[in-house]
Amino acid sequence: RKEVEQDPGPFNVPEGATVAFNCTYSNSASQSFFWYRQDCRKEPKLLMSVYSSGNEDGRFTAQLNRASQYISLLIRDSKLSDSATYLCVAFDTGRRALTFGSGTRLQVQP
Amino acid sequence: ETGVTQSPTHLIKTRGQQVTLRCSSQSGHNTVSWYQQALGQGPQFIFQYYREEENGRGNFPPRFSGLQFPNYSSELNVNALELDDSALYLCASSLEGQGVLGYTFGSGTRLTVV
Repeated sequence: RKEVEQDPGPFNVPEGATVAFNCTYSNSASQSFFWYRQDCRKEPKLLMSVYSSGNEDGRFTAQLNRASQYISLLIRDSKLSDSATYLCVAFDTGRRALTFGSGTRLQVQP
Repeated sequence: ETGVTQSPTHLIKTRGQQVTLRCSSQSGHNTVSWYQQALGQGPQFIFQYYREEENGRGNFPPRFSGLQFPNYSSELNVNALELDDSALYLCASSLEGQGVLGYTFGSGTRLTVV
């Protein structure tokens, strides 16, 4: 079983739609969580941190549920430019390593 | 300030050969981590270097080795290349203690093993 699991998608949505991605993690030692965005053939870039209290950044909202080891990302009012792969990431301070999920691909269509 | 630069950008090698990939860390960063990203997968942690020593390693065999130099730049060496080593190799630099928010990824080296 992978330490961080995501639905690979693809999610094909029209512009303006709301889309939600989910992720689960199995390593209870993971202490910090993040969503990264990766465009085709580019490096991953930090999108936002994820907290139990929730984190909102414009059209993006991320949420962490430690009890169920579940992380979510909500994108409202999707734009064409949101088309990318979204990677769910856990950080283990002990191993000093990021553990990435396989990514969920989003395609926003006009 | 300059970002993380990796070289070469692309490379083709034959099975059994050895390869060295290079990474120059962002100015002010003293820690370098290497990740392997196979097609359709997320990046996987290979190892991390701090103060010229390996201080964390993922589930990669010993034929994956690295170095960090006094100027904090780094090399990833892979011996006895296998077809499954074909991937995008990403380097990330950071400042020890800053955590993930200080990570900066390079644009990667795409290695193809034939």
